[in-house]
Amino acid sequence: DQQVKQNSPSLSVQEGRISILNCDYTNSMFDYFLWYKKYPAEGPTFLISISSIKDKNEDGRFTVFLNKSAKHLSLHIVPSQPGDSAVYFCAASITGNQFYFGTGTSLTVIP
Amino acid sequence: DVKVTQSSRYLVKRTGEKVFLECVQDMDHENMFWYRQDPGLGLRLIYFSYDVKMKEKGDIPEGYSVSREKKERFSLILESASTNQTSMYLCASSFGYSELFFGEGSRLTVL
Repeated sequence: DQQVKQNSPSLSVQEGRISILNCDYTNSMFDYFLWYKKYPAEGPTFLISISSIKDKNEDGRFTVFLNKSAKHLSLHIVPSQPGDSAVYFCAASITGNQFYFGTGTSLTVIP
Repeated sequence: DVKVTQSSRYLVKRTGEKVFLECVQDMDHENMFWYRQDPGLGLRLIYFSYDVKMKEKGDIPEGYSVSREKKERFSLILESASTNQTSMYLCASSFGYSELFFGEGSRLTVL
């Protein structure tokens, strides 16, 4: 059973606007959450992470929010740029061991 | 920079052939992983290893085996390839409680 879910397979956003990608998880033992970006025919690249002791982490245009009570994670990209068009995967882990990935959300940023 | 190198970017094999996918990392990472990525299914863990000669099954180990004779090298073996093993295979490494670093992927087609 999928422990990490990304319910939106795709998202389209105008350049300059905010992109919000969502992720839900079921296992309350997860304590480390990550977002990866993937272009076609390339491996995923790490974007940003958050520990369960925090509820927000920022890195430039990227911010990850964690709502532990709702078991919900979101990635905000602002402002969105055409180069952000890619598939985004969220992942969750217990103590940095096995990582569980969502099914991905394909983001298209329209110029 | 961490570098994870996968030996082949694209392979085409026939049903029943034995397939070796090699992965080498250059950062002395303890942990290494093999995932496969399929549309709509995200990244699924096949096998992982925390140390030389150690291996653990992931979520979908059937039809695969692995070998880790040296710390920097983790091989994925398909003993008898089948068409349902056509996929993108991704190798990753990590150190302790850190993010995964991925290779560029190996696209395998089994005819």
